[in-house]
Amino acid sequence: DSGVTQTPKHLITATGQRVTLRCSPRSGDLSVYWYQQSLDQGLQFLIQYYNGEERAKGNILERFSAQQFPDLHSELNLSSLELGDSALYFCASSAPGGHRSDTQYFGPGTRLTVL
Amino acid sequence: GQQVMQIPQYQHVQEGEDFTTYCNSSTTLSNIQWYKQRPGGHPVFLIQLVKSGEVKKQKRLTFQFGEAKKNSSLHITATQTTDVGTYFCAGSQGNLIFGKGTKLSVKP
Repeated sequence: DSGVTQTPKHLITATGQRVTLRCSPRSGDLSVYWYQQSLDQGLQFLIQYYNGEERAKGNILERFSAQQFPDLHSELNLSSLELGDSALYFCASSAPGGHRSDTQYFGPGTRLTVL
Repeated sequence: GQQVMQIPQYQHVQEGEDFTTYCNSSTTLSNIQWYKQRPGGHPVFLIQLVKSGEVKKQKRLTFQFGEAKKNSSLHITATQTTDVGTYFCAGSQGNLIFGKGTKLSVKP
């Protein structure tokens, strides 16, 4: 158990819908990262937040957005969903420092299925 | 942009055989990390290498960081079925860039 929690574990929805994925980092970690992993694909970095502020952006679509709240949990919002958005979405956190090179601890992931 | 290439993409071995995955960057890395993702699981941090030419061992796993800090390898001696999973390297130049991973399957 990495100490990072993600909810829900599974999510099934329809095209055009909007969903919110939630992540709580390890106690004391200030950075949260979001990744997308499609079937048999690597980890695509989406976005990083550090202590409530956006720190780095990767291959995140304009239909996707994220935020980190004062209690440091983070939410990833996916809207106008398409079939191709079906994937595993991982959240990771790292210790204070805020650099993406810090060791990252991954949550169990949310499996999103868009029908 | 920054890229970390990892080969092979897939590797099938007989239990007891050795396995190696390679990671290459076109630019010098400040450090490299290795992660393992079991089937149906999430990536789990294995190790970080920082120094040029560094070699670290964890039981049957040997990790190397190249002299130029542009490449790395993970070698598993005498694979076991518990080694099954995808191994990712992640290179750091300030930002952590993940390779696409090597998926290892082990035939008992």
